[in-house]
Amino acid sequence: RKEVEQDPGPFNVPEGATVAFNCTYSNSASQSFFWYRQDCRKEPKLLMSVYSSGNEDGRFTAQLNRASQYISLLIRDSKLSDSATYLCVVNIAGGYNKLIFGAGTRLAVHP
Amino acid sequence: EPEVTQTPSHQVTQMGQEVILRCVPISNHLYFYWYRQILGQKVEFLVSFYNNEISEKSEIFDDQFSVERPDGSNFTLKIRSTKLEDSAMYFCASRDRRSGANVLTFGAGSRLTVL
Repeated sequence: RKEVEQDPGPFNVPEGATVAFNCTYSNSASQSFFWYRQDCRKEPKLLMSVYSSGNEDGRFTAQLNRASQYISLLIRDSKLSDSATYLCVVNIAGGYNKLIFGAGTRLAVHP
Repeated sequence: EPEVTQTPSHQVTQMGQEVILRCVPISNHLYFYWYRQILGQKVEFLVSFYNNEISEKSEIFDDQFSVERPDGSNFTLKIRSTKLEDSAMYFCASRDRRSGANVLTFGAGSRLTVL
């Protein structure tokens, strides 16, 4: 089983749509959770951390279910500029904060 | 905003040659990392470095790879004898000791093409 699993997409949505990404992780010792955004041939950039109680940042809402080992990201009112690959990332407890990346879900927002 | 800088942005080399990729982490950061991403694949952890020594490394980081912090600012990744499968984007990242959420800042990457 992959350590972090995501639907590869692509998700093709019109501007203004709401889109949800799902992610599962296999290591129950995972400690911290993140969504990163990666534009084509660029570095990953932190979009938001994910907290147990769920958290929101503008149009973006992240949820974590530790029991199911499941993470989600909801994007409301999609913009053209949201087009990118969204990476689900977990940090394994212990060690020096090695991040484990999912393969990413590609989002294409069209006019 | 402070950033991690990497050089070169793109390097083309012949198989068997040595390559050194350079990184300047954010100045007050204490933890340093190298990740790589083969085209079309996921970002993979290579190595973490703290207090002037390797703290953790992945299976990918074999004897062909080494890291060094030769002075107070640079953090380098050396590949001794490159193979075709080393072609990838290599990302350096750093982290502040105080980063409660373990947030890494990534550099823009160095693309390595091995011919």
